[in-house]
Amino acid sequence: KAGVTQTPRYLIKTRGQQVTLSCSPISGHRSVSWYQQTPGQGLQFLFEYFSETQRNKGNFPGRFSGRQFSNSRSEMNVSTLELGDSALYLCASSSDPGGYNEQFFGPGTRLTVL
Amino acid sequence: GNSVTQMEGPVTLSEEAFLTINCTYTATGYPSLFWYVQYPGEGLQLLLKATKADDKGSNKGFEATYRKETTSFHLEKGSVQVSDSAVYFCALSDQLSGFGSNYKLTFGKGTLLTVNP
Repeated sequence: KAGVTQTPRYLIKTRGQQVTLSCSPISGHRSVSWYQQTPGQGLQFLFEYFSETQRNKGNFPGRFSGRQFSNSRSEMNVSTLELGDSALYLCASSSDPGGYNEQFFGPGTRLTVL
Repeated sequence: GNSVTQMEGPVTLSEEAFLTINCTYTATGYPSLFWYVQYPGEGLQLLLKATKADDKGSNKGFEATYRKETTSFHLEKGSVQVSDSAVYFCALSDQLSGFGSNYKLTFGKGTLLTVNP
């Protein structure tokens, strides 16, 4: 079974631009969660989608948004990029909402904002 | 709200040394507890889990026991290897009230472990 894939793996943008990251979950998984990982703040929960509906949202500004498609693939969008948005963005999929049993993580997308 | 506190790293050990990484939690319900590991350049992988009090999770020589009375889930390994060098995250999954079967993972800040030969 293929694992969680994220594209692109690396991204360099400048302040003010917007970016879209993509995540393909494990086949059959309907829950996709997004996390931001930085050295200072650690892993912070962004949001979770289950069957195309946002079920949970973390404490991030409205510049961060996401969506999930009918095939469970998910995208995350960040508009008006700031230097502080530089981070590793991790996507995780699960067969159940919120990952009660286990979340399976992708390798992440490394975003650098200049 | 829920929170997880891990011992701060980095932790540096020699091969075959004993490892303990402390983890304590605060939760309103009856959470499941997890340890995830992140190897360099990779995403997180589930290492072990425990879903109720006194459960012991174990995998690859690592163990952790769910202690409700001390709200702890410390990670231990009797003899570490160089290949265990990674970042270890303690996490809890708790049910959000009013959301049915909806759970949310809360992570600790992670502990970097380096094992020298």
